[in-house]
Formats: sequence, C-alpha cells, structure tokens
Amino acid sequence: GQSLEQPSEVTAVEGAIVQINCTYQTSGFYGLSWYQQHDGGAPTFLSYNGLDGLEETGRFSSFLSRSDSYGYLLLQELQMKDSASYFCAVGRGYSTLTFGKGTMLLVSP
Amino acid sequence: NAGVTQTPKFRVLKTGQSMTLLCAQDMNHEYMYWYRQDPGMGLRLIHYSVGEGTTAKGEVPDGYNVSRLKKQNFLLGLESAAPSQTSVYFCASSPAGVRPDRARGGNQPQHFGDGTRLSIL
Repeated sequence: GQSLEQPSEVTAVEGAIVQINCTYQTSGFYGLSWYQQHDGGAPTFLSYNGLDGLEETGRFSSFLSRSDSYGYLLLQELQMKDSASYFCAVGRGYSTLTFGKGTMLLVSP
Repeated sequence: NAGVTQTPKFRVLKTGQSMTLLCAQDMNHEYMYWYRQDPGMGLRLIHYSVGEGTTAKGEVPDGYNVSRLKKQNFLLGLESAAPSQTSVYFCASSPAGVRPDRARGGNQPQHFGDGTRLSIL
C-alpha cells in the first residue's frame, strides 16, 4: 500500500522561506513529485525528484532522501500568489501517482 | 494549445441517474487518468489508460467505468450515481516513458484539466 504524510496547513509572511515536508511509505517508488493547486483550480506540476538530492527551479526547490522516505518542497521569497495547496505524490508504474492529502499554504502581507 | 479539456464543468444529478464525463487532450499523450478530489482527501486515482483501447483500475474504481476508444479522449461513466460520488473530478494526461533526463529517474509530469464539479442529490 501507499501512504503519504504532509502537514495540513502552513502559514508564512511575504518574503519569507517555507518548507513543506512529506514522508511516505510505498511498495513501489518512481520518484516524488510536487503539485500546486490554487483554490478552485487545477493541479499544476511544480517539481520532481527521481534520485536523492536537491532540485531547483527558480524560487522553488525540492529535496528527496530515499533512504529516509522523506522529501520536502522549499519555497523562497514568498509572494501572495503562492497561497495555494501543495501536494506531494509518489510515482508508480505508468506514471501513475499516489497523492498526499495536501498542505494549505497561507501567505500574509 | 488547449491542453486537457473536461466537459461538462458542472453537473447536478439525481441518485440513480447515469452520465459520462468527457476528457480530451491535444498533446498526443499516451497516458490518461481520472481522479476524484474530496475535501481533506487529496486526489485519488479512479482509472487510467496507457494507450488507445486499454484501461486499468486505480485506487477507487468501484461505481465507475471508463473507455479510451480514441487516443485523445478518455471517458468516465457513472452507471447509477450515488451521493457518495459527489466530488470534483479531474482528468490528466502524460507522455509515456521516463523523463528525457534518464539519470534523474522515472515519471513524466501529469497535465490536468480544470475539473468537473459533480453533485448527486
């Protein structure tokens, strides 16, 4: 089976840095992905880690440690538009994904 | 490019009615997926398809059927709607195979439609 744990809510102020953690238990693993979803919108792909280490894409970075079954998404220089839900997802065969329940990020002025 | 298009965007059904949700993608993707999203539950995979004419069950397939008669379309059917199927339904597609940068490992990203909000009374 698959299970992923991530915090339900995180709050931060504009300009700050926030880290959203994700731990997982899985019987098959094809990498850890992160998706962003604004309220009422569609999930959009943010980042992917297939191997251990850090991946950086602009203000967003993602990290994976397969030995610890742990990853995180790091958001820097937070902006109001970053207020959204963030989902970690474990990849399985045929690019299927098992999603966590999501972390709602609230950015305040 | 339209990407992934879902129709309808909203629908209200009565218990026992049937309906079909349509998903169309114009990116020539091999793989397509149907998810449902409920409050506090994240996205859960209902069914998926790895190519025209093929379908497979996901985590929560009961009460749903799917068909992939054409590569660009993936249909989700509810034969006899139940209130427990009230949800937001998302379709997604992705290219087949591993990412071009093979050293980084597997899956391709999924591209999502805007969702169908379905209420069953």
